[in-house]
Amino acid sequence: GDSVTQMEGPVTLSEEACLTINCTYTATGYPSLFWYVQYPGEGLQLLLKATKADDKGSNKGFEATYRKETTSFHLEKGSVQVSDSAVYFCALSDRGNAGNMLTFGGGTRLMVKP
Amino acid sequence: GAVVSQHPSRVICKSGTSVKIECRSLDFQATTMFWYRQFPKQSLMLMATSNEGSKATYEQGVEKDKFLINHASLTLSTLTVTSAHPEDSSFYICSARDRENRKLFFGSGTQLSVL
Repeated sequence: GDSVTQMEGPVTLSEEACLTINCTYTATGYPSLFWYVQYPGEGLQLLLKATKADDKGSNKGFEATYRKETTSFHLEKGSVQVSDSAVYFCALSDRGNAGNMLTFGGGTRLMVKP
Repeated sequence: GAVVSQHPSRVICKSGTSVKIECRSLDFQATTMFWYRQFPKQSLMLMATSNEGSKATYEQGVEKDKFLINHASLTLSTLTVTSAHPEDSSFYICSARDRENRKLFFGSGTQLSVL
């Protein structure tokens, strides 16, 4: 079946440092890929998505590129802020949009220190 | 943006008791809601899919008699953990699909601790 593996946290960075959170997946079809973020005390929110190979999703300074050859969708940001402290979930859907069932990774907690 | 209210956010109960978790879409109608659970350091796992007015569809390995799901209206789904045991302690999170634009929105989760 489908699965998503992402790096374990917590990841602790200083403000303005570069961020990479690795995510790899296995899927039988051609899934869409997502990154969700959960800020403290809030629900999961869609951060960005990519629906086909080589697509790059971006939002709030975060980027992730759908790499079919390496089955990866790593999340990157060039300069993190304290407000980016949250838990980040990589996910896939095999039906092409975020409205269908999702398979999640285990989540990675990011802590950004001033 | 759209909001999904999940309540309670944290509950501690004694073994053998039942716990009900509510998931409400506050400003949209949701024909479909999903229930997930997450064990520490593990992935979010889909437990069941509930459709308004019909029986929930459970994933393999999820006991339907233990995890009762009711989706009686377009804005409310409930998950009841019956006769809870310590191994049911977990983080439960719901999501709701907006019937208009099919986008998915998540509740903030419920941390269940069974003593």
